[in-house]
Amino acid sequence: GAVVSQHPSWVICKSGTSVKIECRSLDFQATTMFWYRQFPKQSLMLMATSNEGSKATYEQGVEKDKFLINHASLTLSTLTVTSAHPEDSSFYICSAREGIDEQFFGPGTRLTVL
Amino acid sequence: AQSVTQLDSQVPVFEEAPVELRCNYSSSVSVYLFWYVQYPNQGLQLLLKYLSGSTLVKGINGFEAEFNKSQTSFHLRKPSVHISDTAEYFCAVSEHGNQFYFGTGTSLTVIP
Repeated sequence: GAVVSQHPSWVICKSGTSVKIECRSLDFQATTMFWYRQFPKQSLMLMATSNEGSKATYEQGVEKDKFLINHASLTLSTLTVTSAHPEDSSFYICSAREGIDEQFFGPGTRLTVL
Repeated sequence: AQSVTQLDSQVPVFEEAPVELRCNYSSSVSVYLFWYVQYPNQGLQLLLKYLSGSTLVKGINGFEAEFNKSQTSFHLRKPSVHISDTAEYFCAVSEHGNQFYFGTGTSLTVIP
């Protein structure tokens, strides 16, 4: 099946700094990528939908100026958490859509903000 | 809008016993249905999916699920669980590959 990677898998940063997370589709081209956030013991919450070459569509309640999404190519989308604070600590998961049927999920990135 | 309900947040079961994880959904349109498994500190792995056709879907690791349109359910089953099946299981619904809506998850614990 299609493979999606994320980098880094785990990042620890100081409060106030910015962190970039990469999501790559390794063996297919993804016109659409999705970013999710997962709190401990909870389900995935969709943050935004990213289409290659255009601005991301953010879900209600997600600050677009804080969570910057760039989808510059058909195989790469990035999520930048700007001025991170401890409450931004979470597990961030991306997915990429191939065709019209399903999404393939990355392994996730655990962000810890001190 | 779609929504997914997983009624059981935690399911303990003895090794080699059968298990059923329940999933109900609501939607005004036809949807695709999925079950994912998540091991600690890992991403989601697809177990199985229903897109169309036969309502009984077989997936990996011996899991299967049955789509019941009249009851709007997509319950996951396995006739005999192993210790390695201990994980979090998520049911998801999608309107033809677009936005995914996830249930709150069911934590399956297999007891030796």
